[in-house]
Amino acid sequence: DSGVTQTPKHLITATGQRVTLRCSPRSGDLSVYWYQQSLDQGLQFLIQYYNGEERAKGNILERFSAQQFPDLHSELNLSSLELGDSALYFCASSVGSGNQPQHFGDGTRLSIL
Amino acid sequence: GQNIDQPTEMTATEGAIVQINCTYQTSGFNGLFWYQQHAGEAPTFLSYNVLDGLEEKGRFSSFLSRSKGYSYLLLKELQMKDSASYLCAVKLEDSSYKLIFGSGTRLLVRP
Repeated sequence: DSGVTQTPKHLITATGQRVTLRCSPRSGDLSVYWYQQSLDQGLQFLIQYYNGEERAKGNILERFSAQQFPDLHSELNLSSLELGDSALYFCASSVGSGNQPQHFGDGTRLSIL
Repeated sequence: GQNIDQPTEMTATEGAIVQINCTYQTSGFNGLFWYQQHAGEAPTFLSYNVLDGLEEKGRFSSFLSRSKGYSYLLLKELQMKDSASYLCAVKLEDSSYKLIFGSGTRLLVRP
């Protein structure tokens, strides 16, 4: 158990809809990262928050947005969903210092029908 | 751009040793991580290298050569449960701590 909690575990919805994925980081971790993993693809970095502020952005679509709240949990919002958005979405957290590893949650499997 | 290369698949025999290579060309470098990921599960941290040389952790070791942009993960005394994908990830030298992942190497351990 990594200590990172993601909900829900599975989400099935239709094209055009909007969903929110939630992540609670490990106790004491200030950084939260979001990754997308499509079938047989590597992990694609989407966005990072550190102590409530956006720190880095990857290849995140404009239809996607995220935020980190004062209690450090984070939400990833995906809107106008397309079939190609079907993927595993992972959240990871770390203390924030350079050599500390990121610890991953179990992911949310999003299926768009 | 950022480029991280790993072999797509490897097969090895239970009890043997396998070496998984990773080469990288990135705009800056501030450390390399190896993760293990079983199908449909979360990646789990295996090792971290920032200086040249070998880091050993039980059956797993990881090597880094910064001048060559090269790392490898060495798995000894392979067990069936080692069948998984192994992900190489580079931390860039910027103000964030984001990781750039390779596509992963799928390792199949046969009896």
